[in-house]
Amino acid sequence: EAQVTQNPRYLITVTGKKLTVTCSQNMNHEYMSWYRQDPGLGLRQIYYSMNVEVTDKGDVPEGYKVSRKEKRNFPLILESPSPNQTSLYFCASTLAQGLNYGYTFGSGTRLTVV
Amino acid sequence: AQKVTQAQTEISVVEKEDVTLDCVYETRDTTYYLFWYKQPPSGELVFLIRRNSFDEQNEISGRYSWNFQKSTSSFNFTITASQVVDSAVYFCALSGLSNSGYALNFGKGTSLLVTP
Repeated sequence: EAQVTQNPRYLITVTGKKLTVTCSQNMNHEYMSWYRQDPGLGLRQIYYSMNVEVTDKGDVPEGYKVSRKEKRNFPLILESPSPNQTSLYFCASTLAQGLNYGYTFGSGTRLTVV
Repeated sequence: AQKVTQAQTEISVVEKEDVTLDCVYETRDTTYYLFWYKQPPSGELVFLIRRNSFDEQNEISGRYSWNFQKSTSSFNFTITASQVVDSAVYFCALSGLSNSGYALNFGKGTSLLVTP
């Protein structure tokens, strides 16, 4: 089944404790992206990657890191999480050939930082 | 700047009623794509449809239909004979060539509640 897999689905952590949210897709998509969803603010892009070893900042990159060492994986790293990073996070992927394709989203990771 | 407005924050209907979710967008791009996504209570984002700026044909998929009108910058979504399973938050999104990284600009969403 074609899908984007995120783990974990739920995570509660403490301020300052480094964490990684994994994301993997099995569709051979070049483009991958991370979004966060917050009440009243909607969905906002954090980082994106056009292909292996190519990453760039989205609208709200502060406090996050990403890497794209393999085409299928695009982990989101929070080096020192803070409570304002409590949010619902989505990974997404799509073919990068123009904008002809809908984005496939993962199931989401609900992160709480206390 | 790009903007997507979903003026209806919440809609409540009784099962079998038809319901239309409004989406109005702003963009300076001449080439752009519009999307609708569904977010059920379980939280995932489900892709429903994409439409490019050069294709103004309306589309119907089962009980779902979409009306794209460039003249009014609108991309409205209609559910015919709504069902309880349609209860969800629906997002309209826009992506233009000027978007860095093909980013999607989402509206704030419309929460639809369908009651039996």
